[in-house]
Amino acid sequence: RKEVEQDPGPFNVPEGATVAFNCTYSNSASQSFFWYRQDCRKEPKLLMSVYSSGNEDGRFTAQLNRASQYISLLIRDSKLSDSATYLCVVFNDYKLSFGAGTTVTVRA
Amino acid sequence: DGGITQSPKYLFRKEGQNVTLSCEQNLNHDAMYWYRQDPGQGLRLIYYSQIVNDFQKGDIAEGYSVSREKKESFPLTVTSAQKNPTAFYLCASSVAQAPNEKLFFGSGTQLSVL
Repeated sequence: RKEVEQDPGPFNVPEGATVAFNCTYSNSASQSFFWYRQDCRKEPKLLMSVYSSGNEDGRFTAQLNRASQYISLLIRDSKLSDSATYLCVVFNDYKLSFGAGTTVTVRA
Repeated sequence: DGGITQSPKYLFRKEGQNVTLSCEQNLNHDAMYWYRQDPGQGLRLIYYSQIVNDFQKGDIAEGYSVSREKKESFPLTVTSAQKNPTAFYLCASSVAQAPNEKLFFGSGTQLSVL
């Protein structure tokens, strides 16, 4: 079983729509969680950390469910510039584990 | 401006050849990492270093080697023993290797086999 699993998508949504997707992780002792954004053939950049109580950053909301071992990302009022691959990242033991990413395409 | 610089952006390797990917950071970070990204897969850790003159193998170290002689530099050599080297290679750094530390990435090197 992979340490971090994501639905690859793609999620194809119109501008202004809401899109949400999850990521599951296998290690129940995982310590911290993140969403990174990666544009095509570029470096990943931190979008937001995910806290136990859930957190928002503008149009982005992240949730953590430790009991079911998943994190989620919701994007409200999607913009064309939100088109990217979103990587779920989990820290456990000594290292970060990356999911393969969920691709979101926002169309005009 | 502070950041991580990877070079070259594109690199081609012939059969039996060793090639070295450069990674330099001026963020004064202690921890540095090398990841490999293949299409449809997550980033996989090749090597990491928490301090100068020390480094550890990651999940897929076979066929690769690194050095950490200076804090700001962490070059990766892809040896001829790596039979499937074609991939996008990303170097990253963080203040320390700790649960809540943000990773800063370089812009990547695309390695292909001729």
